Amino acid sequence: ELKVEQNPLFLSMQEGKNYTIYCNYSTTSDRLYWYRQDPGKSLESLFVLLSNGAVKQEGRLMASLDTKARLSTLHITAAVHDLSATYFCAAPTFFMDSNYQLIWGAGTKLIIKP
Amino acid sequence: DTAVSQTPKYLVTQMGNDKSIKCEQNLGHDTMYWYKQDSKKFLKIMFSYNNKELIINETVPNRFSPKSPDKAHLNLHINSLELGDSAVYFCASSRNPRGGASASGYTFGSGTRLTVV
Repeated sequence: ELKVEQNPLFLSMQEGKNYTIYCNYSTTSDRLYWYRQDPGKSLESLFVLLSNGAVKQEGRLMASLDTKARLSTLHITAAVHDLSATYFCAAPTFFMDSNYQLIWGAGTKLIIKP
Repeated sequence: DTAVSQTPKYLVTQMGNDKSIKCEQNLGHDTMYWYKQDSKKFLKIMFSYNNKELIINETVPNRFSPKSPDKAHLNLHINSLELGDSAVYFCASSRNPRGGASASGYTFGSGTRLTVV
């Protein structure tokens, strides 16, 4: 059974600092998804990592995937207040030949202080 | 031109009432889902339909019943509401089958905040 663990679950940091959120998953998966949720809002897709070694960047966020280590990271560079949100990672598990379900991490609540 | 739309956005109701939440997607996706998000932000899958067929039916009280009249719609009906049902309910959709079509992941609706008093 696929399990997805994120750490830390809560992160408070100062603007301008760098930090990394880690996402480990328990069984083989060739892809990994990152989502962002602002308070009171829906989940918005950030990155879809589709192969080992995949790296994607948008602004101050960069995500990477190491399928051999079953690890994805979300790196924040020179954090700004606007990045305060809850970040979720998810990995797919496949069933019934052609269906898949995303298994979600518990989310990392990121607070960036001015 | 909202991709996944849920109604209502907010729902306040008394214990024991019956209520429904509606969801529609215009993305042409094959699969739709209902999730419950509790106060700690944990996402719990409840149900999933693939082209009107129920494919995921997690352990939830049988007071919750999904209905999918066509692959663009998935509604959630809740009978005899209880205080513990208070949460945010998200509808989502995705493309299938595996091997490429899942590259886009899920698209979520805006959520329905249910408060049972």
